[in-house]
Amino acid sequence: GENVEQHPSTLSVQEGDSAVIKCTYSDSASNYFPWYKQELGKGPQLIIDIRSNVGEKKDQRIAVTLNKTAKHFSLHITETQPEDSAVYFCAAERGADGLTFGKGTHLIIQP
Amino acid sequence: NAGVTQTPKFQVLKTGQSMTLQCAQDMNHEYMSWYRQDPGMGLRLIHYSVGAGITDQGEVPNGYNVSRSTTEDFPLRLLSAAPSQTSVYFCASSYSLQASNTIYFGEGSWLTVV
Repeated sequence: GENVEQHPSTLSVQEGDSAVIKCTYSDSASNYFPWYKQELGKGPQLIIDIRSNVGEKKDQRIAVTLNKTAKHFSLHITETQPEDSAVYFCAAERGADGLTFGKGTHLIIQP
Repeated sequence: NAGVTQTPKFQVLKTGQSMTLQCAQDMNHEYMSWYRQDPGMGLRLIHYSVGAGITDQGEVPNGYNVSRSTTEDFPLRLLSAAPSQTSVYFCASSYSLQASNTIYFGEGSWLTVV
């Protein structure tokens, strides 16, 4: 089955700086890569996703990049703000097998 | 539109007790699933369903039962609770089990087994 590794487990950045979270996956058949944000006491919420036929996708301060050859994808958050503090999960999906999640990154925005 | 609704929010059980976590969605989604979330382990799939009357096991199914009698509801049953089942449980749904269908999560159910 699919295996998703996520790094780092904790990331602390100064407000206004950029944050990068990286994930690798094992199954070259995976073709969909979403990112979820989980705030304290809440369920995960989709923030951005990318399909295997696209190399990069942006949505305001958030971007995701995908390198299919190397089987890794990354989440980039620019101009970080206090409300970006949360746990972020990457995931990979290869159709009928559903999503396999990384173990999460706790992002801390320092004032 | 309520989305995915889970009850109860918090529950304390004694070892050996049984209980059911309820999950309902009002988006007419075919695919529903249950995950557990443990510190440092991320989200692990327990059971899932691709439609009414159809269920299947995920990564960590032992100790849990599910059924899907309607499109809207997907309850998770703990037959004989064990301390190892102390966790946060999330129900999720999506239109179908295909790549790129957004998965919506409920708010979670915090379960402690003593």
